[in-house]
Amino acid sequence: AAGVIQSPRHLIKEKRETATLKCYPIPRHDTVYWYQQGPGQDPQFLISFYEKMQSDKGSIPDRFSAQQFSDYHSELNMSSLELGDSALYFCASSEQLAEKLFFGSGTQLSVL
Amino acid sequence: QKEVEQDPGPLSVPEGAIVSLNCTYSNSAFQYFMWYRQYSRKGPELLMYTYSSGNKEDGRFTAQVDKSSKYISLFIRDSQPSDSATYLCAMSGGGTASKLTFGTGTRLQVTL
Repeated sequence: AAGVIQSPRHLIKEKRETATLKCYPIPRHDTVYWYQQGPGQDPQFLISFYEKMQSDKGSIPDRFSAQQFSDYHSELNMSSLELGDSALYFCASSEQLAEKLFFGSGTQLSVL
Repeated sequence: QKEVEQDPGPLSVPEGAIVSLNCTYSNSAFQYFMWYRQYSRKGPELLMYTYSSGNKEDGRFTAQVDKSSKYISLFIRDSQPSDSATYLCAMSGGGTASKLTFGTGTRLQVTL
């Protein structure tokens, strides 16, 4: 069965650089969520989209933005990167009104 | 205080043992309860999904929810070394694109 696909798998950036993470949800899933997980931490909700509109917002810094496109894939744009942004970034998808979230394998972002 | 509390472990058990993992929560609006398994540097994998109070069994896994006590449990019977992972409880209040609130995760090690 098709799963949530995230790219890139690993990303190394320097401080103050910009990064773009991509997420391709499971086919027919119209809702996408972004989570950030620091080492030894639980995933923290950043933002979600339903039918290409932002539906909820969590602890996402103003330096980050995201959007969902017409094919339902989503991109997380991160600017002015800081050392503390180093983390695993997960994308998850679900069907509308379904509480079951399916996660991708994540993007490991390292900011040097 | 976090909305969802979970003992981080680590929890070490011999192969074949019954494992009990637990979470408590404070938000009475939570209606949906999930258990995810996460291997190192991988995305969380949905194991069990329960709505409201009650028990649910799937193979070697049993999930229990007691909303009156705000307490959920995951039991693993006949534990295997391949069960060694971090187990995260997660919950949500429902609704379109509802975000999950995670526990910190319990690291489980099943030894031979």
